[in-house]
Amino acid sequence: EDKVVQSPLSLVVHEGDTVTLNCSYEVTNFRSLLWYKQEKKAPTFLFMLTSSGIEKKSGRLSSILDKKELFSILNITATQTGDSAVYLCAVFINTGTASKLTFGTGTRLQVTL
Amino acid sequence: GAVVSQHPSWVICKSGTSVKIECRSLDFQATTMFWYRQFPKQSLMLMATSNEGSKATYEQGVEKDKFLINHASLTLSTLTVTSAHPEDSSFYICSAGRTLYNEQFFGPGTRLTVL
Repeated sequence: EDKVVQSPLSLVVHEGDTVTLNCSYEVTNFRSLLWYKQEKKAPTFLFMLTSSGIEKKSGRLSSILDKKELFSILNITATQTGDSAVYLCAVFINTGTASKLTFGTGTRLQVTL
Repeated sequence: GAVVSQHPSWVICKSGTSVKIECRSLDFQATTMFWYRQFPKQSLMLMATSNEGSKATYEQGVEKDKFLINHASLTLSTLTVTSAHPEDSSFYICSAGRTLYNEQFFGPGTRLTVL
């Protein structure tokens, strides 16, 4: 059974801190790994990773994938209260007849003043 | 980026009624659309995969007769919750994909409350 596991489940940090969110996976027919940020509504796309070792950056956020060890991390530096959200990791897999995303449980990040 | 809309945003209905939710890809043609359900403080759970012009593929444990999916065109998929009950109350999110590019774009979601 395909599995995506995120840790920690929940995290509270002070504004300005750096956080690292983890995502490990065990799936068949891996295509790519995606990170999303979810606030009150539907997830918004952050990164898509397909190759190992290539860091993707967007402002204070960055992410990297290790396909040998089957995990990815999402880093957020100099956190702000606006970063408070649930961060979802999802793996895109081929099922033979289609492709689909399998989501992890998410990491709930709260950034306090 | 690609835009996916959902309608309605929020619906409240009585137990036993049916509710239809629309998902549209506004500026691209989506060969595949996906329907997810999310309960409070839980992650997204895939319900079904909808391919244009063919029957939807349902995930294990999802009743296809209860959650009817129609994907009549490359820009529209609908999810109908038939004979809704309070336990069907949830946040329903669709996404539209261009699987060749490993892309999925999410709609804003529909909150269903069944009284």
